[in-house]
Amino acid sequence: KQEVTQIPAALSVPEGENLVLNCSFTDSAIYNLQWFRQDPGKGLTSLLLIQSSQREQTSGRLNASLDKSSGRSTLYIAASQPGDSATYLCAVSPRQEGGSEKLVFGKGTKLTVNP
Amino acid sequence: DAGVIQSPRHEVTEMGQEVTLRCKPISGHNSLFWYRQTMMRGLELLIYFNNNVPIDDSGMPEDRFSAKMPNASFSTLKIQPSEPRDSAVYFCASSFLRHSNQPQHFGDGTRLSIL
Repeated sequence: KQEVTQIPAALSVPEGENLVLNCSFTDSAIYNLQWFRQDPGKGLTSLLLIQSSQREQTSGRLNASLDKSSGRSTLYIAASQPGDSATYLCAVSPRQEGGSEKLVFGKGTKLTVNP
Repeated sequence: DAGVIQSPRHEVTEMGQEVTLRCKPISGHNSLFWYRQTMMRGLELLIYFNNNVPIDDSGMPEDRFSAKMPNASFSTLKIQPSEPRDSAVYFCASSFLRHSNQPQHFGDGTRLSIL
C-alpha cells in the first residue's frame, strides 16, 4: 500500500529565506507526483505536477524535483514571502490497473514565513 | 471560470440525522472525487467517478456513506445515520481525465460537525 510522508510537519522561517520541503513515498510505481497548497479554511490549490518520466518542474519561485527510484520529492521555494505561509501537501498517483486518477496524500508541512 | 462549488460550507447536526453534501464540478471535467480530511488521518479519498460512473469506492468507510452522480454537473455524498466520528472537512474535486498530467481542482470544502 502506497504511503506518503512529509517532514517536517511544521516549519517557520524568516522572510527572504530559501527553503526546501520534503516528501517521500514507499512505492515507486507512480504516474505522477503533485504538490498542493492549502490555506486555512480553503481547498487545495495545485502548484506543480511532475510526470513519472520527468525530474523536475518549475513555476515562478517554486521548483519541484522527483527522484522516483529513491521515492523522494522536494519542493524548493526561493526568496520566501509571508504570503507563502500555508500548508503544503504532496500527493502521488499510484500506478494501477484502470488509470491514474487516485491520489495518496501526505499530511502536509505547515509553513510560516515571518516578516 | 467558476471553480468547484460545494454546499453547504458548514453543517452542524445531531447524531443520527441524515447529512447530504453537494458538489458542482468544473464544467467540462469528466472526473469527480470526494475526500475527507481530519487531523488524525489527513486527506483520504472516499470515492471517485469517471463520466458519472463510480470507479473506486474502496475508501468509503461503511454502508452509512453513499455517493451519487446523476449527471455531469452534480454529485452528492450522503451519510445516514451520521455519527460524531464522521466530523471532518469533506472536499470535492474534479479533473479532466486525458493523460496522467491533469491536476485535480478542489472546492473549499464542507466542514461537518456531528454532535
